[in-house]
Amino acid sequence: DVKVTQSSRYLVKRTGEKVFLECVQDMDHENMFWYRQDPGLGLRLIYFSYDVKMKEKGDIPEGYSVSREKKERFSLILESASTNQTSMYLCASSLRYGGSNQPQHFGDGTRLSIL
Amino acid sequence: KQEVTQIPAALSVPEGENLVLNCSFTDSAIYNLQWFRQDPGKGLTSLLLIQSSQREQTSGRLNASLDKSSGRSTLYIAASQPGDSATYLCAPGEDGSGNTGKLIFGQGTTLQVKP
Repeated sequence: DVKVTQSSRYLVKRTGEKVFLECVQDMDHENMFWYRQDPGLGLRLIYFSYDVKMKEKGDIPEGYSVSREKKERFSLILESASTNQTSMYLCASSLRYGGSNQPQHFGDGTRLSIL
Repeated sequence: KQEVTQIPAALSVPEGENLVLNCSFTDSAIYNLQWFRQDPGKGLTSLLLIQSSQREQTSGRLNASLDKSSGRSTLYIAASQPGDSATYLCAPGEDGSGNTGKLIFGQGTTLQVKP
C-alpha cells in the first residue's frame, strides 16, 4: 500500500527559527511535492521535485527552500519562520510511468504554528 | 494561468441520494485530472484519475467524467452514505507537465450526508 509519512502532525515554532519539515515515501516515486493549505485559499504548491537533487518552484516559494538528497525523502525548510507561515503543510508523491503521471498520494499533513 | 472552480461550495443531502459535484477549469490544455477526498484535519485521498484521452473513470459508487474541450469534470456519487461526508477536491494536471505531475486545485465541495 502507498505510504507517505510526514515527520510531525503538529509543530509549534517561534518567529525567526529555521524549521524543517520532513516527508518520506516508500514507493520509489520520482515526483514529490510540498503544498500549504489555508482556509479560503485552498492548496497552493510551494515546491516540487521530479528527481533526486532536482527542484522547481511552485506558486508560492518565497520564504521556503527544499532539499532532496535521496529519492525517498523531500524536506521543506522555512529559512526564518514568520507568523504568516502558520498553516497546514501537505506532502505528496507520484510515480512517473512511461511519461504518464500516476495519482498523487498525500501524507496526513503537518499543522505548523509560528508564534 | 489555470483557474479551477468547484460548484457547489457546500452540499447537504439525505442518505441514499445520488449526487453530482461539478468542476470547471479555464485552460483545457490539461494532461489529466484527479479527484480527491479530504476528511477534516487530514491529508488528501486519491479517488480517481482521468487521463486527458479518457472520458470517464469508475470506482465502486464513484464515477468521474471529463469533457476536456469544454473545461468540465463531474464526480457522480451513487447511493450516498454518511461515510461519504468530506471535502471533495478537483485537480487538473497542467499540460506540458508530463514529467512532473503538477496539479492545480479547486477550493473543493464540502459534502454532508445525513443519516
